[in-house]
Amino acid sequence: GAVVSQHPSWVICKSGTSVKIECRSLDFQATTMFWYRQFPKQSLMLMATSNEGSKATYEQGVEKDKFLINHASLTLSTLTVTSAHPEDSSFYICSAGGYTVYNEQFFGPGTRLTVL
Amino acid sequence: DAKTTQPPSMDCAEGRAANLPCNHSTISGNEYVYWYRQIHSQGPQYIIHGLKNNETNEMASLIITEDRKSSTLILPHATLRDTAVYYCIVSYNQGGKLIFGQGTELSVKP
Repeated sequence: GAVVSQHPSWVICKSGTSVKIECRSLDFQATTMFWYRQFPKQSLMLMATSNEGSKATYEQGVEKDKFLINHASLTLSTLTVTSAHPEDSSFYICSAGGYTVYNEQFFGPGTRLTVL
Repeated sequence: DAKTTQPPSMDCAEGRAANLPCNHSTISGNEYVYWYRQIHSQGPQYIIHGLKNNETNEMASLIITEDRKSSTLILPHATLRDTAVYYCIVSYNQGGKLIFGQGTELSVKP
């Protein structure tokens, strides 16, 4: 099956700093990538949909200036959490679609962000 | 909002079949049923999907009712490693977003 990687797997940062998370599809070209976050004991919440070469589409309530998404190529999307605060601490997960014509999504292993 | 309803938790004995139900009464004609699972602190894993026919792969079987208002994911011989949260999601095929509900927490016990 398709493999999606994320880097870093975990990060701790100080409040007010920015953090970049990378998502890569390793063995296929992803037409679309998605970003989710997950708080403890909760389900995944879709943050945004990203297509290569175009602006991301954010879900309602997600601040696009705070969560910057760049999808520079068909194998790489990045999420930058700007001016992070403790309430941004969460598990961030990306997924990629386009491996088959059925567009099932393949997920990365997730990035645990802790903001002190 | 998620368009599916699943029981919050289920138990299954190791080696037995695990049957996970899902209701999706408002599914539209061209929406697929997708199943994913998430083992603790990992990214979700794709399991199977279907439109209206029953489907089987190396991981599981998917049974969709004729009216498509419900489906059942079957893990034929559950193992301890199948302990996870299972999500049933309806979505369009091309470029469809996945909206996760609360899922079913399956516990496989020895």
